[in-house]
Amino acid sequence: AQSVTQPDIHITVSEGASLELRCNYSYGATPYLFWYVQSPGQGLQLLLKYFSGDTLVQGIKGFEAEFKRSQSSFNLRKPSVHWSDAAEYFCARNSGYSTLTFGKGTMLLVSP
Amino acid sequence: EAQVTQNPRYLITVTGKKLTVTCSQNMNHEYMSWYRQDPGLGLRQIYYSMNVEVTDKGDVPEGYKVSRKEKRNFPLILESPSPNQTSLYFCASKDSHNEQFFGPGTRLTVL
Repeated sequence: AQSVTQPDIHITVSEGASLELRCNYSYGATPYLFWYVQSPGQGLQLLLKYFSGDTLVQGIKGFEAEFKRSQSSFNLRKPSVHWSDAAEYFCARNSGYSTLTFGKGTMLLVSP
Repeated sequence: EAQVTQNPRYLITVTGKKLTVTCSQNMNHEYMSWYRQDPGLGLRQIYYSMNVEVTDKGDVPEGYKVSRKEKRNFPLILESPSPNQTSLYFCASKDSHNEQFFGPGTRLTVL
């Protein structure tokens, strides 16, 4: 079965520092890859997606992610974190025709 | 406004009392699905539907039923809820570009 791994359960970053959240997906045909953010008590919001083409994709709220086939990775980055970025982040890929498989999430804590 | 709606948003019930969580989308999407979210486990798919009258099991279908009688609605049915079905549930629909749109979630507690 296809899988998505987010190795970090929690990450703490100082406000203003750069951020990288890791995501690895199981090998398969070129995947559709997504990053979602979930603020406390809220639903899921799509940050960005990769389907094909340019391997560096830009998303909302200043986030970007880079698809690296050789490493089976799709890491999320932001150059300067704001306190409002504190949330849980989920990486996901499609599996088969329509199923979306999620990683277990990374909780981002932002320290002053 | 394009959206996925779920009702109720919060529900506390008792073991064995049948319940239905409704889901509706106004984007004319053919594909809809249900997920449950549990701490440390991320989101896991319960059921999905590729079109009207077509449904299939996801990763964790046990204890759940769904129906898809019309394109816009995809209710989740728990015939006999148990405490291990206490969770946060999300409905989603998917467009032709493979992007999923999620509802606001339903927090269910089964006592």
